[in-house]
Parts: sequence; C-alpha cells; structure tokens
Amino acid sequence: DGGITQSPKYLFRKEGQNVTLSCEQNLNHDAMYWYRQDPGQGLRLIYYSQIVNDFQKGDIAEGYSVSREKKESFPLTVTSAQKNPTAFYLCASSNNRGSSYNEQFFGPGTRLTVL
Amino acid sequence: AQSVTQLGSHVSVSEGALVLLRCNYSSSVPPYLFWYVQYPNQGLQLLLKYTSAATLVKGINGFEAEFKKSETSFHLTKPSAHMSDAAEYFCAVSDQGAQKLVFGQGTRLTINP
Repeated sequence: DGGITQSPKYLFRKEGQNVTLSCEQNLNHDAMYWYRQDPGQGLRLIYYSQIVNDFQKGDIAEGYSVSREKKESFPLTVTSAQKNPTAFYLCASSNNRGSSYNEQFFGPGTRLTVL
Repeated sequence: AQSVTQLGSHVSVSEGALVLLRCNYSSSVPPYLFWYVQYPNQGLQLLLKYTSAATLVKGINGFEAEFKKSETSFHLTKPSAHMSDAAEYFCAVSDQGAQKLVFGQGTRLTINP
C-alpha cells in the first residue's frame, strides 16, 4: 500500500542531544513537508522540499535541519539549539507538479519528549 | 497572503445533533480549500476539498462543506453527529503557486452521549 511512514512513534531525548526523525513515502510525490504541532496552536511549518536536493525554511525553522537526498526520504533533525522541542511532529507529502493546488497526505506522526 | 480562521477552538454537540464547524478564509486569488480530521495521536486525514468545481462538496464519513465566496467561508457540516466524530478538525487553504498549505488553528469536536 502507498503511504507515508514516520519512525519512531515515540522518541525520548535528553537535553543537549540532537535527534533525527524519519519520514519515508512511497507515493512518488515530489514535495515533502515537516510540521510541528503543539496543543492549541495548530500546525506550524518547519521545512519543506519541492524537489530532491532542495528545501526551504518554513515559519519555525530555527533549531531544526533537514536533508533531501532521495525523493522518498525527508529526515528532520532536532538540534540542541531548539529551545522547546517537546511536541508532536508530522510529515506530509504532495504531488503538486502540474497542479494548481496543494493537497497533502500525512504520516502518523512522531511524539518527541525531552527529558 | 492566504489565511484561515476557524471560529471556536472547542465545539460540543449531542449525539445525533447537527455538527457545524466554521472556517473563514482570506485569499487574494481563487482559493483551494480543505478540511482535515485528526484523531488523537494520529496524522491528519483528508475529509474533503474544494477545487473550484461544485460549491457544495461531499466528503467522507457523511461530512460536507459549502464554499461561499460572498462570505469567504467554507463551513463543515454533518446532519447527525456520531460518537466516532470526536476529533480535531483543521481547515486549510492552498497558497498561490500550490507550494504550501495554510492551516487554521483547529477545532476540537466533542460528542455528548
């Protein structure tokens, strides 16, 4: 079945450590996205990538980094510079090539807790 | 720039009652609009979308939404609420150039037995 997978489902990190969240899709989508979700704040865009080897900052990129070496994969690293990393992280993808709108498909999410 | 406002962060209805979740948008270009649903600790699932075809859009699980340009609204409705509808609902608008979605803050729907 086609879809988006995120791993792990739950992640615990000590303060001062970097941690990488995985996102893989087999939908053959060009674009991929990372969002952060906090209670009562909706979804906030961290980074997005329209094509392999290219990505753009979203609204809250500070303290995060990404890479897009393969079409299927868009890992997110939460660095020690991120002051409040505890949150629910969602990955999404879309096939907006030739489309006039952006319909996104979401993974199941990773809940990161900093101890 | 596009934006979305969802009126009411929490909505509570009785089982069997009408569900109405409000969404207003701001867009300088003809908008493409979406409603997503999120169950606890899960990702978002697309309920329905408006892409400039019919103004009344039917989605999954008995939900529908009507695009009203004069009111810049895209409210989500369901005639009869079911306990399984309890979730968080997000309205979103596609930005010009189709590179991103802009999300509302979300509305948490509670169903009372």
